[in-house]
Amino acid sequence: DAKTTQPNSMESNEEEPVHLPCNHSTISGTDYIHWYRQLPSQGPEYVIHGLTSNVNNRMASLAIAEDRKSSTLILHRATLRDAAVYYCILKNRDDKIIFGKGTRLHILP
Amino acid sequence: DTAVSQTPKYLVTQMGNDKSIKCEQNLGHDTMYWYKQDSKKFLKIMFSYNNKELIINETVPNRFSPKSPDKAHLNLHINSLELGDSAVYFCASSQEVRVNTEAFFGQGTRLTVV
Repeated sequence: DAKTTQPNSMESNEEEPVHLPCNHSTISGTDYIHWYRQLPSQGPEYVIHGLTSNVNNRMASLAIAEDRKSSTLILHRATLRDAAVYYCILKNRDDKIIFGKGTRLHILP
Repeated sequence: DTAVSQTPKYLVTQMGNDKSIKCEQNLGHDTMYWYKQDSKKFLKIMFSYNNKELIINETVPNRFSPKSPDKAHLNLHINSLELGDSAVYFCASSQEVRVNTEAFFGQGTRLTVV
């Protein structure tokens, strides 16, 4: 059901930036791009979302390709606490959030 | 204050029993959801309610019956529990049925059927 493709896992060193890619080649004009993450033994947590323009918030930045067929979640300075599964989700008008397999991010101390 | 709270956090029960999981949100949201995360960690939506009205039912066995006494609560009742029902169940809420609203999730209820 998920309309996005993400790498199964990624590794990054602590205190370095992390770029998590997501492909969504079948995105429609009304789909928003949402990112959630799930820390171990916790519920999913909203990270960021956007439509066309790049977005920044206190947690991360979202870079959206001009054709909207891909996006990148950027963690500017990863900490051990950022180790989680990151989900890239296209959210349509009926408000159904469909989770894919996500990317498991490992942070190396 | 916890935004979305679920009780209990852990639930161990025998096959064939009936059990309920409660969910409450104090965010004033109109829409609430139940998700199931199985042993392979796939998160799947089960139900969605908007202002106490069912709007999404994702082909869930009718042994599962959500009940929304008011828009702040969405409880999940499960009849005749089976081994395959063992999973972590997450409740969530969002402001309204709009495209760009974020959802807030509870901490989950780990259900183990033995």
